[in-house]
Amino acid sequence: GNSVTQMEGPVTLSEEAFLTINCTYTATGYPSLFWYVQYPGEGLQLLLKATKADDKGSNKGFEATYRKETTSFHLEKGSVQVSDSAVYFCALSGIQGAQKLVFGQGTRLTINP
Amino acid sequence: EAQVTQNPRYLITVTGKKLTVTCSQNMNHEYMSWYRQDPGLGLRQIYYSMNVEVTDKGDVPEGYKVSRKEKRNFPLILESPSPNQTSLYFCASSFRTHSEAFFGQGTRLTVV
Repeated sequence: GNSVTQMEGPVTLSEEAFLTINCTYTATGYPSLFWYVQYPGEGLQLLLKATKADDKGSNKGFEATYRKETTSFHLEKGSVQVSDSAVYFCALSGIQGAQKLVFGQGTRLTINP
Repeated sequence: EAQVTQNPRYLITVTGKKLTVTCSQNMNHEYMSWYRQDPGLGLRQIYYSMNVEVTDKGDVPEGYKVSRKEKRNFPLILESPSPNQTSLYFCASSFRTHSEAFFGQGTRLTVV
């Protein structure tokens, strides 16, 4: 079936550290891929997206590249800030016959000053 | 401002007492859906609607109902809530199924 697997959290880093959150997917067809972020007490908001193989999504210093050969969409940031502390969700959609976003389980990120 | 508005934000209720969580969007989106978020499980889709009067089940529809009488509103109804429906609920809307989804702020429901 269609699924998304994220690296398990929680992840704790120091400010200015390099961040990678791994995401791999299983899907029939050619999905669109997303990263959503959930700040404390808020709903999810789109962080970045990619709609076809080799596309790179980027926003607020975060990047992720759609890798069809490895079915991955890893999230990276070169230098994290305390304000990046949140829960990050990898998701896919646009699968044939499935009218929904399929989410990973989420990764809680905490950045210490 | 483009937004999805859910009410209430917090609700504590007793088993069996019918409740409705409202959801409204001001972006003229055709596609709306409800998710529940539980620890370790991510978000799971409850119901979705592709347009007015068109609704369908998601992954976990048991114990829930929805309606879509107007494009902007998509209420979630729990006819007889049970403790296993204690969760954080999100409404979302998008222009199409694979475009960016906009989420409400969430409703934290506790059923005792």
